[in-house]
Amino acid sequence: EVQLVQSGAEVRKPGESLKISCQGSGYSFTSFWIVWVRQMPGKGLEYMGIIYPGGSDTRYSPSFEGQVTISADKSINTAYLQWSSLEASDTAVYYCARHHLSHVGGGGAFDTWGQGTMVTVSS
Amino acid sequence: SYELTQPPSVSVSPGQTATITCSGDKLGDTYACWYQQKPGQSPLLVIYQDAKRPSGIPERFSGSNSGNTATLTISGTQAMDEADYYCQAWDASTGVFGGGTKLTVL
Repeated sequence: EVQLVQSGAEVRKPGESLKISCQGSGYSFTSFWIVWVRQMPGKGLEYMGIIYPGGSDTRYSPSFEGQVTISADKSINTAYLQWSSLEASDTAVYYCARHHLSHVGGGGAFDTWGQGTMVTVSS
Repeated sequence: SYELTQPPSVSVSPGQTATITCSGDKLGDTYACWYQQKPGQSPLLVIYQDAKRPSGIPERFSGSNSGNTATLTISGTQAMDEADYYCQAWDASTGVFGGGTKLTVL
């Protein structure tokens, strides 16, 4: 069974750093792109960026470039999303998902999703 | 930046056909897909490449894409279909989501 399992909920103060994870199983982790998606409370889905764990090619949405860092460790089938200095506006649920094609873009969809990681940033 | 526009809400009676639209400049020139999200759950892919259904998605879900509009159609809508629906497409190598449509089954 193809599965993505994300790390648990986090509570941090503004200015703190954070790294959350997404571990894949049941498929060749290095052969499929992994995307990160933000969902702020009561709001819609926002595309943040995508990484190819097999080669670490990483592409960011302009809205998130410079705000977060996406990385992967293929030795443990895990992708990461990290912040160096959190803000209250980073409070959201963050999802990882698998891109179902080997190439990013036209025709690709996110066919398997993690359970989401709730990040709360509050003083 | 590329934008996808969806109606905030759509209502349908049980057993009737629900239609949810997604508009974007020349959207028909690329592929669109659709996700269903129920409260407290992760999104679920229901349509990809305009009209294909992943394994396990009921036949009542169908899709089309032409011109500037992609459409998700749910035939014989059931109470369990009440959810938020998001369209998604690509602007070069950057993914874009629509704002979402809340489907209410009255």
